[in-house]
Amino acid sequence: NAGVMQNPRHLVRRRGQEARLRCSPMKGHSHVYWYRQLPEEGLKFMVYLQKENIIDESGMPKERFSAEFPKEGPSILRIQQVVRGDSAAYFCASSPLNVQSNTEAFFGQGTRLTVV
Amino acid sequence: QQQVKQSPQSLIVQKGGISIINCAYENTAFDYFPWYQQFPGKGPALLIAIRPDVSEKKEGRFTISFNKSAKQFSLHIMDSQPGDSATYFCAASSNSGYALNFGKGTSLLVTP
Repeated sequence: NAGVMQNPRHLVRRRGQEARLRCSPMKGHSHVYWYRQLPEEGLKFMVYLQKENIIDESGMPKERFSAEFPKEGPSILRIQQVVRGDSAAYFCASSPLNVQSNTEAFFGQGTRLTVV
Repeated sequence: QQQVKQSPQSLIVQKGGISIINCAYENTAFDYFPWYQQFPGKGPALLIAIRPDVSEKKEGRFTISFNKSAKQFSLHIMDSQPGDSATYFCAASSNSGYALNFGKGTSLLVTP
């Protein structure tokens, strides 16, 4: 019974490159959330997705960032033309289908992105 | 702006002592208040959570105290152990939203 799986665990990109972060939710979970954690900061909500739908992307920067959760396969957080300020830990969380939105979300171990 | 304010930023407690972390919020629509524990290099893990219909919830050595009128809640770790050394985050969310709003975290060190 695997938990939320994120890969890669560590990602180094040069400025201007693209970063792709993957998240496989727990089995039976169809709700996925992405959070960003900067050093010495709490986690900041970015986007909430259900299968094939973006439900709330109020925390996503308007440019360069996009997210998807296709019918098959993991959720992807994509950052185009990365800049140094994108360096952070990105966490994915998932929750079951038929629960209230504020029920427990299980977090993955994160992807630590470093932009050089 | 930070919707949930957490203090202290760091805390050192002797083994066997009580660790207390405090959080405050402004949004009266919040109705779910979880605490997460995070070890270095790991993702946050839910520790304990409370809803506003109760003023206290206890699970083992961990207790949440909730003061609705003051819009404050706190985590108490009784008989703190070195294995409790981690970063603790409080959070809050509302039934009308999807986001967990996190505090900035408290780095707890329990000394032997």
